[in-house]
Amino acid sequence: GAVVSQHPSRVICKSGTSVKIECRSLDFQATTMFWYRQFPKQSLMLMATSNEGSKATYEQGVEKDKFLINHASLTLSTLTVTSAHPEDSSFYICSARDDSRETQYFGPGTRLLVL
Amino acid sequence: LAKTTQPISMDSYEGQEVNITCSHNNIATNDYITWYQQFPSQGPRFIIQGYKTKVTNEVASLFIPADRKSSTLSLPRVSLSDTAVYYCLVGVDSSYKLIFGSGTRLLVRP
Repeated sequence: GAVVSQHPSRVICKSGTSVKIECRSLDFQATTMFWYRQFPKQSLMLMATSNEGSKATYEQGVEKDKFLINHASLTLSTLTVTSAHPEDSSFYICSARDDSRETQYFGPGTRLLVL
Repeated sequence: LAKTTQPISMDSYEGQEVNITCSHNNIATNDYITWYQQFPSQGPRFIIQGYKTKVTNEVASLFIPADRKSSTLSLPRVSLSDTAVYYCLVGVDSSYKLIFGSGTRLLVRP
């Protein structure tokens, strides 16, 4: 299957700082990428849809000024958690849609811990 | 987007065939059905996708009846490493969003 990478795989930061997570589609181009958040023992929650060359679309209840998304190329989307707080600690997962296969492929996830 | 219903958990033993059924009564005409597998602290892994009848790959089979209101993921001869959460998703609207349900937690025992 297609490969999607995320970087970093885990990050620890202090409260009040910003953290950037990268999502890359390695062997296909993705006009659409998605960002999810997953808390322990829970399912994935869609946060936003990232569209190449345009503004992201956020799900209800997700603060767009706190979770900044940039999709500057067909293989890269970034999620920046601004002014992170302990309650932002979670597992962040991205996915990228392979239009040629009409399928989404997921990254390995990024574990964020805010102290 | 169609809502899916799956059993919360299932138990099996090594070597057995496991069938996980998903209900999606409100599936739309152009919706595909996709199954993912997720291990702890990893992103979901694509297993199989289908539209109707039967799809088979090297990992699993997907059975979809004619009315497409349900689907069954079949895992042949499971092993301990198949212990994971399995998600059934439907719905491909113009935004291509996938909304995850609670999934089925499969435990394979020796």
